[in-house]
Amino acid sequence: DAGVIQSPRHEVTEMGQEVTLRCKPISGHDYLFWYRQTMMRGLELLIYFNNNVPIDDSGMPEDRFSAKMPNASFSTLKIQPSEPRDSAVYFCASSLQGNYFEAFFGQGTRLTVV
Amino acid sequence: GENVEQHPSTLSVQEGDSAVIKCTYSDSASNYFPWYKQELGKRPQLIIDIRSNVGEKKDQRIAVTLNKTAKHFSLHITETQPEDSAVYFCAAFGGKTSYDKVIFGPGTSLSVIP
Repeated sequence: DAGVIQSPRHEVTEMGQEVTLRCKPISGHDYLFWYRQTMMRGLELLIYFNNNVPIDDSGMPEDRFSAKMPNASFSTLKIQPSEPRDSAVYFCASSLQGNYFEAFFGQGTRLTVV
Repeated sequence: GENVEQHPSTLSVQEGDSAVIKCTYSDSASNYFPWYKQELGKRPQLIIDIRSNVGEKKDQRIAVTLNKTAKHFSLHITETQPEDSAVYFCAAFGGKTSYDKVIFGPGTSLSVIP
């Protein structure tokens, strides 16, 4: 397996534009997490899914953020409209349920909103 | 919800010395405590973990200790090398408020000086 795959790796967009980040989890994993990383706030959990169903979106900062998981092999995180303070590295991670499990991270998407 | 604190936020050591990073958690039901290492510009990756039924675990130069009574756990790196320079994140998992999601501490930036 190629691991968790995110696209794009880098995204530069103008304030007000819509941004869509994509994630393909590891095949067979039943959990998918979206994290945002900044120097000030570290790794923040935005939302996570179990078997494609959103379980907890309490970390989503505003209504401008939305996430979907239409099937087991694909998820998107959308920001509309984007703002400069959304600039960060966004990580997707997947894991397999058990009593204890490891979260495997994608390479991340570095988002810059100008 | 679960709250994970981590200290220190930055740590500099001379090559060959030991480094210790400490974390505390709030949910007494948490039962799994992984540590992730993130090198500059890369994704976080699991380096070691400990479960609540043991007090210590070692893997070559790294070890983790757990004190469930005090609700704290620590990462110990001995004989540090320049390649140990990275940001280290602790996490707590499996508690009543974080049953199936990994909540990370704010991270410790470790610099190993040659």
